Amino acid sequence: GAGVSQTPSNKVTEKGKYVELRCDPISGHTALYWYRQSLGQGPEFLIYFQGTGAADDSGLPNDRFFAVRPEGSVSTLKIQRTERGDSAVYLCASSLRGGQGFATNEKLFFGSGTQLSVL
Amino acid sequence: AQSVTQLDSHVSVSEGTPVLLRCNYSSSYSPSLFWYVQHPNKGLQLLLKYTSAATLVKGINGFEAEFKKSETSFHLTKPSAHMSDAAEYFCVVSVSLGRGSQGNLIFGKGTKLSVKP
Repeated sequence: GAGVSQTPSNKVTEKGKYVELRCDPISGHTALYWYRQSLGQGPEFLIYFQGTGAADDSGLPNDRFFAVRPEGSVSTLKIQRTERGDSAVYLCASSLRGGQGFATNEKLFFGSGTQLSVL
Repeated sequence: AQSVTQLDSHVSVSEGTPVLLRCNYSSSYSPSLFWYVQHPNKGLQLLLKYTSAATLVKGINGFEAEFKKSETSFHLTKPSAHMSDAAEYFCVVSVSLGRGSQGNLIFGKGTKLSVKP
């Protein structure tokens, strides 16, 4: 597709439920990033994939959060036992090569995000 | 550790007047700095980036930013605001080192720009 696609655009769930958020990166981009943006804040890094592997998951807040990218393209962010504090916009971005410690000026392309609301 | 501080949470200007969005950074290394813009219901878009080449960086839509090491600043400017510039703007610094770092980008809290007719 033309850009990074995230689905759903909005997700409302109840406290304690499990949710999955999907990201389709730009075709051919090897690097994929998840960020979380709480109300009134800038995006905060969660996890970064290089290909199929999580190269840096240091931003995941706790073990309720998990992400996969089994074929090196689409990624799913999974949140177990959701809490009200998980409510935020979850942003996905992709870049052509990515890479820790390299090309930190590489351009990231962001999706429009998934607004998650935990009631 | 790297960080950015956006000094104004909200800036309001009249159409046709100059725009100044302020950003100060902290970095242990020679930083890479960016400005991103976020329009409502749209993805973040890169406006411009500084990567140790020219200190005055020109971006899209007439925006530019100047890297001033002595002031640790990277303020965003535009000579004449347009209604379509109304959006949220984020100053961003990159984290340059490997595993265990907080990802590639650290975002400021954002500055909401309003443009009055």
